[in-house]
Amino acid sequence: NAGVTQTPKFRILKIGQSMTLQCTQDMNHNYMYWYRQDPGMGLKLIYYSVGAGITDKGEVPNGYNVSRSTTEDFPLRLELAAPSQTSVYFCATGTTGKEYGYTFGSGTRLTVV
Amino acid sequence: TQLLEQSPQFLSIQEGENLTVYCNSSSVFSSLQWYRQEPGEGPVLLVTVVTGGEVKKLKRLTFQFGDARKDSSLHITAAQPGDTGLYLCAPWAGSYQLTFGKGTKLSVIP
Repeated sequence: NAGVTQTPKFRILKIGQSMTLQCTQDMNHNYMYWYRQDPGMGLKLIYYSVGAGITDKGEVPNGYNVSRSTTEDFPLRLELAAPSQTSVYFCATGTTGKEYGYTFGSGTRLTVV
Repeated sequence: TQLLEQSPQFLSIQEGENLTVYCNSSSVFSSLQWYRQEPGEGPVLLVTVVTGGEVKKLKRLTFQFGDARKDSSLHITAAQPGDTGLYLCAPWAGSYQLTFGKGTKLSVIP
């Protein structure tokens, strides 16, 4: 049982380039999330989805886009990469109910130079 | 605006010592979750506390939810090097999203 799979694990981008971070889950969870984690700053929500075809902005959405065409996949698109987007990105899934927690992927470490 | 504070920010202790870390807020929450994140990995859920005053134990880890459901603590007894990591609290405010604290970075020295 793979859980939440993120690819790639590491990536270096040049300023202005674009890329897609992939996230796939096999847990049949409706809710999916993208967070970024910067040193000493905790996890900041970028975008989330409550089901296929439905997405919404989180706390820090600027410079990113998402889509959710299937329950399993929730890719994060970076357009025109900037140094401020250097971070570790985590995808997570969740179910309904206040007692159910998130399952996280192992992250993508992105450096923009 | 919800203010969420975790303390201490950093903690370095010797193996075998006890420790407590805290998660405090100005808001009341439906429930609260604790996660541990090891270097290079995503956070992993440790526990969810739901009822004010609730105490949950997970081996050497004891979690408590404040009576007013605004704060929580995590106590580790006889810490081991395997406890090293970033401890994050995440209150559940009733929406689809969790808000995470900045965490307590714990180092347990053998």
